[in-house]
Amino acid sequence: GEDVEQSLFLSVREGDSSVINCTYTDSSSTYLYWYKQEPGAGLQLLTYIFSNMDMKQDQRLTVLLNKKDKHLSLRIADTQTGDSAIYFCAESIGDYKLSFGAGTTVTVRA
Amino acid sequence: DARVTQTPRHKVTEMGQEVTMRCQPILGHNTVFWYRQTMMQGLELLAYFRNRAPLDDSGMPKDRFSAEMPDATLATLKIQPSEPRDSAVYFCASGLLTTGGYGNTIYFGEGSWLTVV
Repeated sequence: GEDVEQSLFLSVREGDSSVINCTYTDSSSTYLYWYKQEPGAGLQLLTYIFSNMDMKQDQRLTVLLNKKDKHLSLRIADTQTGDSAIYFCAESIGDYKLSFGAGTTVTVRA
Repeated sequence: DARVTQTPRHKVTEMGQEVTMRCQPILGHNTVFWYRQTMMQGLELLAYFRNRAPLDDSGMPKDRFSAEMPDATLATLKIQPSEPRDSAVYFCASGLLTTGGYGNTIYFGEGSWLTVV
């Protein structure tokens, strides 16, 4: 099936780390993605991970994949006010379709 | 800086009117998607094309929606007649399918914000 679940809200203090969690259902997903959406804007591809990887690090972003539990997480180190946005987890289904979660709204407080 | 370009960015129209949204995918990308975003449903895939051929439009209401790619640089999504429940943000996205696997990057446009009154 195609069902990606995320918690809806996360509040974090500036300078702390943020961890956004996601679970997916399709064990055949090839790629898993994190997109960021700022108010009034489109979806910006943040990072992605191939399903045969456990971890990927890209500057302040760390993606962890637990394929056994179908669990994906995104860690943002040293969270800044500019990181306030909605973060979408997505899994690839079949050839091309992306199935998105509902999005996690991250609020960074001073 | 390559990007997916969508027009119009914002559209307010009356119920019953025809709405056409346009998308210019990133040059060289061979796959184009149309997504709709609403508060209630989140992001829904409406249709997608590979090498201009429609592959799947099962997410699209067939009676009033149509999607086409007249050429490699233009994708269109048309609603006729429009209804208030069509109010949403419509995103176009494009990506490149590489041989033997899934193209690993899909880029979204800024969206067309449609309000039907």
